Amino acid sequence: AQSVTQLDSQVPVFEEAPVELRCNYSSSVSVYLFWYVQYPNQGLQLLLKYLSGSTLVKGINGFEAEFNKSQTSFHLRKPSVHISDTAEYFCAVSSGGFNKFYFGSGTKLNVKP
Amino acid sequence: EAGVVQSPRYKIIEKKQPVAFWCNPISGHNTLYWYLQNLGQGPELLIRYENEEAVDDSQLPKDRFSAERLKGVDSTLKIQPAELGDSAVYLCASSSGQSNSPLHFGNGTRLTVT
Repeated sequence: AQSVTQLDSQVPVFEEAPVELRCNYSSSVSVYLFWYVQYPNQGLQLLLKYLSGSTLVKGINGFEAEFNKSQTSFHLRKPSVHISDTAEYFCAVSSGGFNKFYFGSGTKLNVKP
Repeated sequence: EAGVVQSPRYKIIEKKQPVAFWCNPISGHNTLYWYLQNLGQGPELLIRYENEEAVDDSQLPKDRFSAERLKGVDSTLKIQPAELGDSAVYLCASSSGQSNSPLHFGNGTRLTVT
């Protein structure tokens, strides 16, 4: 089974500063990688996904993530955050050939004015 | 397209009472998931359906939890009897069934057991 580690449970950052949310996964076999965002009292919304090809993927709301196979990482970045980015972010992995998704424990991004 | 619809949004019950949650997936999505999300944690799979067949229910506490997906469309998740520790958010998600297809989530049902 896969495991997904989000190293930071909370990340405070000032508005317009850059941010990186870290995600590492366990397996080195073919994987598909996802980042989701969850606003209070809502379900999870897809931010971006890595399936194959370019290791740098761009998503909604100005977020991007880089797949690093050798380090089994998929860190999420944004060069300049807004107050509206305050939410919880989840990294997820699914293994090729299976419809099973594994989620990290989440990182709460708190953007301060 | 209409998203995944869940109801109710909130439910408060006393322990030992039964409760049921309903989910209608995105039209055409064959795969349906029920996830449990405890406060401050990521979603944990309870059960996955491929059409009307439960193909992964290894994490479903079968002594008190049951689920069904009649006709391979909408689904219900039931708890009977509920315990205090069942207080959590229950999320439903659907996908087209490919492992590279993302999950689409509903807004969840927040259950409080008193």
